[in-house]
Amino acid sequence: DVKVTQSSRYLVKRTGEKVFLECVQDMDHENMFWYRQDPGLGLRLIYFSYDVKMKEKGDIPEGYSVSREKKERFSLILESASTNQTSMYLCASSINGAGGLYEQYFGPGTRLTVT
Amino acid sequence: TQLLEQSPQFLSIQEGENLTVYCNSSSVFSSLQWYRQEPGEGPVLLVTVVTGGEVKKLKRLTFQFGDARKDSSLHITAAQPGDTGLYLCAVGFSGGGADGLTFGKGTHLIIQP
Repeated sequence: DVKVTQSSRYLVKRTGEKVFLECVQDMDHENMFWYRQDPGLGLRLIYFSYDVKMKEKGDIPEGYSVSREKKERFSLILESASTNQTSMYLCASSINGAGGLYEQYFGPGTRLTVT
Repeated sequence: TQLLEQSPQFLSIQEGENLTVYCNSSSVFSSLQWYRQEPGEGPVLLVTVVTGGEVKKLKRLTFQFGDARKDSSLHITAAQPGDTGLYLCAVGFSGGGADGLTFGKGTHLIIQP
């Protein structure tokens, strides 16, 4: 059974803290993604990576960075957490094919609260 | 401006009824996906549609891609409580398959027993 796991289901951090969200997939997928989901705004793409050490900005990269040192692991970093980064964070992975849309497999999400 | 407009935003109906939800855009897409998300979980892919006019069926769910590839619909026949969830349509972030997805805001569907 394919699996994307996220390090925490719930996380509470203080404003200004450095926050690491970890995501691991066991499907040997090339592509990995980070989204945030907010009521009224839906799911929005933060960053994605199509290979180790590669990263691309999504729709809302400001205030975030990412790291992909190993193929199976993709980390989202909040350098200095702010209250407007309180959200549900979802990680996903997919194969890297020749074209078209491929199925994205999502983790269960991390609900981050910044106080 | 939202790239993908989903309607209705909320829908609550009785078990056994039929329903249709929509995903509309002014842009043309090479393909479009539908996902369902249940509370506390990540979205799960239901279907990918590629060809204009294409109809795909998944048990009681029927998906259609518009002839002009600008819109899509999801029809559920004889809805059941297990169909409850957030239904999301999505297209490639920059048109490609290796990129992330751009999602509509979703339709929150509740099927009451």
